[in-house]
Amino acid sequence: QVQLVESGGGVVQPGESLRLSCAASGFTFTTCAMHWVRQAPDKGPEWLASVWSDGTRKFYVDSMKGRFTISRDDSKNMLYAQMDGLRPEDTAVYYCAKGGRIGTFYFDLWGQGTLVTVSS
Amino acid sequence: QTVVTQEPSFSVSPGGTLTLTCGLSSGSVSSKSYPSWYQQTPGQAPRTLIYNTNSRSSGVPDRFSGSILGNKAALTITGAQADDESDYYCVLYVGSGIWVFGGGTKVTVL
Repeated sequence: QVQLVESGGGVVQPGESLRLSCAASGFTFTTCAMHWVRQAPDKGPEWLASVWSDGTRKFYVDSMKGRFTISRDDSKNMLYAQMDGLRPEDTAVYYCAKGGRIGTFYFDLWGQGTLVTVSS
Repeated sequence: QTVVTQEPSFSVSPGGTLTLTCGLSSGSVSSKSYPSWYQQTPGQAPRTLIYNTNSRSSGVPDRFSGSILGNKAALTITGAQADDESDYYCVLYVGSGIWVFGGGTKVTVL
C-alpha cells in the first residue's frame, strides 16, 4: 500500500524541540524527493522544506531556516523533521509529502498529518 | 517575498462550471512555474488534482482541468457536484528548490 504515515507530534512548551517522523511504504523511497508542509489552524498549507533523493540537497522556507532540519534515512524509508526553538505560531498539522517523478515539481502523495501544539 | 494569489471564495451552482485562478503578486505564471492544484476538505490532508499545469493526478476525474490563462494558472471544474465543495490551493515552484502555496479558494456549491 502506497502511503506516508507521520508521527511524533504532541504538545510542547515554547522553546522546546520536537522530532517528527514520516514512514514511507509502497513506493521506491530512494528515488523520491520528500517534503514537509504544515497547516496552522484555519490557515492554508505552507511548504517548509524539501530534501532531494540524493539526500544532500535540502531547501527551506526562509522563516524556518535555522530552526528546522529535514533529513532522510533511505535504509529505513523514513523522513524526519527536527524542529528547535518552537514558538506558539508553529502550532500546526505537519504533513510529509512525496515529490513527483523527476522533472515534475509537485506533491503527489500526502500523509495524514501529525499535530504539533506549542503552548505554555 | 513571493506571494501567490487566489480568489478567497467562489460559488457555483450544481452542474455549473467555475474557473479558479492562481497568480503572482509580481510577475506572470507560466508553465515554468509548474503550477499544481490541491483539493482539501476540513480535517483531511490535501488531495492532489493537477500538476505541471494541466496533468491530472491518478484517479482525478476529467471534470478537473488545468491551464494557463493570460498571466495566471487556472483550475476549471466543469459539471460541479456537491462534493466539489472544498478548499482549493495552488502551488507554484519558484525555483531553487522553493515552493509557495496560494492562500486558497473556498468553493461553495449551492
